[in-house]
Order: sequence, then structure tokens, then C-alpha cells
Amino acid sequence: KQEVTQIPAALSVPEGENLVLNCSFTDSAIYNLQWFRQDPGKGLTSLLLIQSSQREQTSGRLNASLDKSSGRSTLYIAASQPGDSATYLCAVKGTYKYIFGTGTRLKVLA
Amino acid sequence: DAGVTQSPTHLIKTRGQQVTLRCSPKSGHDTVSWYQQALGQGPQFIFQYYEEEERQRGNFPDRFSGHQFPNYSSELNVNALLLGDSALYLCASSFTGVTQKLFFGSGTQLSVL
Repeated sequence: KQEVTQIPAALSVPEGENLVLNCSFTDSAIYNLQWFRQDPGKGLTSLLLIQSSQREQTSGRLNASLDKSSGRSTLYIAASQPGDSATYLCAVKGTYKYIFGTGTRLKVLA
Repeated sequence: DAGVTQSPTHLIKTRGQQVTLRCSPKSGHDTVSWYQQALGQGPQFIFQYYEEEERQRGNFPDRFSGHQFPNYSSELNVNALLLGDSALYLCASSFTGVTQKLFFGSGTQLSVL
């Protein structure tokens, strides 16, 4: 049974800091991995998708890496801003469904 | 291009009642998945619909049922509501294929009193 864990559960950093969010999964037989952002009480916004054959994806200040064999992914956020404050979730895709972690709540202090 | 739309945005029901939530997928998408998200938790997979059939189901009781229409829109029905059904219900659409990148709606916040 696939399990997804995200560490840390919460993180508070000063503005401008570079930071890394971690995601681990127990079964390496995945099709892809997606990182999402969620603001309180809202839906999820897709940030990056990494195919199982890829090692990393970049979008602006965000970079996500995937090491399928070790069951790990990281989301790197450069030069954090207060607007980055949100919950970040990773999800791994099996045959049909995505399985989510519980997220990392990020607060960027001005 | 409209994204994934869900209705209603908020709903208050009492125990034992029934509820229907609605979802219209992003244009060009043919697959709809439903997720339940309790406060402080990650979304939990309820089921996925493709070609008007339930393709996969998560660990949810039969009180949770769904439907997909020929225009790919979908409904989630929950019967005999329990207090524990209070949650944010999220609809996600995708185009069937290897990638299946998910796009989410804003969700329906269901409160059961």
C-alpha cells in the first residue's frame, strides 16, 4: 500500500530565504509525482509535475526533483516571498489515482 | 477557458440527510476524480469516473456514489450523512493517458450538523 509522507509538517521562514520541502513515498512504482499549493479552504493549484522517467522540473522560482528508486522528491523554493505562504502537498500517481501526503504548511514572514 | 467548476461552494446539512455535489471538468478533459479532505489532512481518493463508468474506488462506504454524464460532468452523492462526513470535497479533472495531470476545482465545503 502506497504511503506518502511530507516533512516538515510546518515551516516558518523569513522572507528571501531559500527552502526545501520533502516528500517520501513507500512504493517506487509510480507514473508521476505532482506538487500542489493549497490556500486555506481552497482547491489545489498544480505547481509542477515530474514524470517517472524525469529527474527534475523547474518553473520560475520552483524546482522539483524526483529520485524514484529511493522514494523521495524535494520542492525547492528560491527567494521565498510572503505570497508563498500556503500548504504544499505532494501526490504520487498509481495506475489511476493519486495518493497525497498531509502537506507542509509554509509561512513566509515579511 | 474555464477550469474545473464545482457547486455549491458551501453546504450545511443535518445527520441522515442526502447531498449531491456537482463538478464540470476543464475543457478537453474526460476523467473526473473526487477527493475528500478533512481539516489538516491531505485529500483522500473517493473514486474516479471515465466514460461514464466508475474506474476505481477508494476506501469509502457505499453511501458515497457518483455519476458521470455524457458531457463528462459528474456528481457525487452521499446518503445518510454522518457528522464525520464534514469535509472539503474536491473534484479534479484530467485527460486520460499516461500523464493525467490533475486540475482541481475550488471545492465544496460540507458541514454536517
